[in-house]
Amino acid sequence: DSGVTQTPKHLITATGQRVTLRCSPRSGDLSVYWYQQSLDQGLQFLIQYYNGEERAKGNILERFSAQQFPDLHSELNLSSLELGDSALYFCASSVGSGDLYNEQFFGPGTRLTVL
Amino acid sequence: KNEVEQSPQNLTAQEGEFITINCSYSVGISALHWLQQHPGGGIVSLFMLSSGKKKHGRLIATINIQEKHSSLHITASHPRDSAVYICAVFTRDDKIIFGKGTRLHILP
Repeated sequence: DSGVTQTPKHLITATGQRVTLRCSPRSGDLSVYWYQQSLDQGLQFLIQYYNGEERAKGNILERFSAQQFPDLHSELNLSSLELGDSALYFCASSVGSGDLYNEQFFGPGTRLTVL
Repeated sequence: KNEVEQSPQNLTAQEGEFITINCSYSVGISALHWLQQHPGGGIVSLFMLSSGKKKHGRLIATINIQEKHSSLHITASHPRDSAVYICAVFTRDDKIIFGKGTRLHILP
């Protein structure tokens, strides 16, 4: 158990809908990272937050947004969902000095299915 | 051509064999991360490297920054090592790029 929690575990929704994925980092970790893993694209980095501020941005679509709250949990919002958004979404956390390359601890993932 | 290439894509070996998984990259990096993804989907961080060599139990990771290459070695492999091993590079402009993974299957 990495200490990182993600909810929900599974999510099934329809095209055009909006969903929110939630991540609670390990106690004491200030950085949260979001990743998408799909069958055709593999793992992709979406975005990193450090202590409430956006720190680095990867291949995050404009339809997606994220935020990190004062209690350090983070939410990833996916809107106008398309079939291609079906994937595993992982959250990871690190102690973080703000640098991107601190060792990361991964949550169990949220499996999103868009029908 | 992908910026991060792993080889082999798939590897089947007998229990006890020495395993080597390679990762080559074409971009400037700050660090490299080796990850293990279990059949159930969970991801575990194995090593974070910016130079030299690290060892943890039966796992050894090396990186050669000049040659833009890293290797992950498993000594005395065991069926529980069966997993997908993923290399990720942290670029100097704050991006993270993943390899496509190496699927390892260790036969008892």
